[in-house]
Amino acid sequence: EPEVTQTPSHQVTQMGQEVILRCVPISNHLYFYWYRQILGQKVEFLVSFYNNEISEKSEIFDDQFSVERPDGSNFTLKIRSTKLEDSAMYFCASKYIPTGEAFFGQGTRLTVV
Amino acid sequence: GDSVTQMEGPVTLSEEAFLTINCTYTATGYPSLFWYVQYPGEGLQLLLKATKADDKGSNKGFEATYRKETTSFHLEKGSVQVSDSAVYFCALREGSQGNLIFGKGTKLSVKP
Repeated sequence: EPEVTQTPSHQVTQMGQEVILRCVPISNHLYFYWYRQILGQKVEFLVSFYNNEISEKSEIFDDQFSVERPDGSNFTLKIRSTKLEDSAMYFCASKYIPTGEAFFGQGTRLTVV
Repeated sequence: GDSVTQMEGPVTLSEEAFLTINCTYTATGYPSLFWYVQYPGEGLQLLLKATKADDKGSNKGFEATYRKETTSFHLEKGSVQVSDSAVYFCALREGSQGNLIFGKGTKLSVKP
């Protein structure tokens, strides 16, 4: 069964460092998403991506964040100059169509120290 | 804005017990409603969904009915198993953009 794959499963980084979280969506999917869940809080939408550009982003997704699909298979989330409050579980998701089922990866736990 | 509220966990039950996890929502329009499940070490998986009022979603013995009058989508299962131990997330999707709005999640532990 096709699945969304995220790497790494756990990333520890020092405050101020840049991190790149990687996702391989399902191959024929066209819509890509990043969500995050700070421990004990809700899963929050960060950004959606379609046709090689951002289609929607939340207030959380400020200039510190960026996404790209560098090679047609990977979908990456870059966080520049990480802060302690960026510590969270980050989930990638993909869909074939916007109203279709979202398939999620297993998440990357980011710990900023 | 739109939001989802679900009951606080953790919920601990014995095998074969009846399960209810409450979920209520606030939305300006007519959202689609979802329950996702996350088993240990895995990603979020769609468990069931309902797209309009009075629809009942069901899967793997779980059910939830879209109640517009009470803005609720409570998850139920008549007889839980140890393998149902997971975190359950209620979510809504407004419109066609596909972004999901989630609740905090409810951790369920089922003891043999």
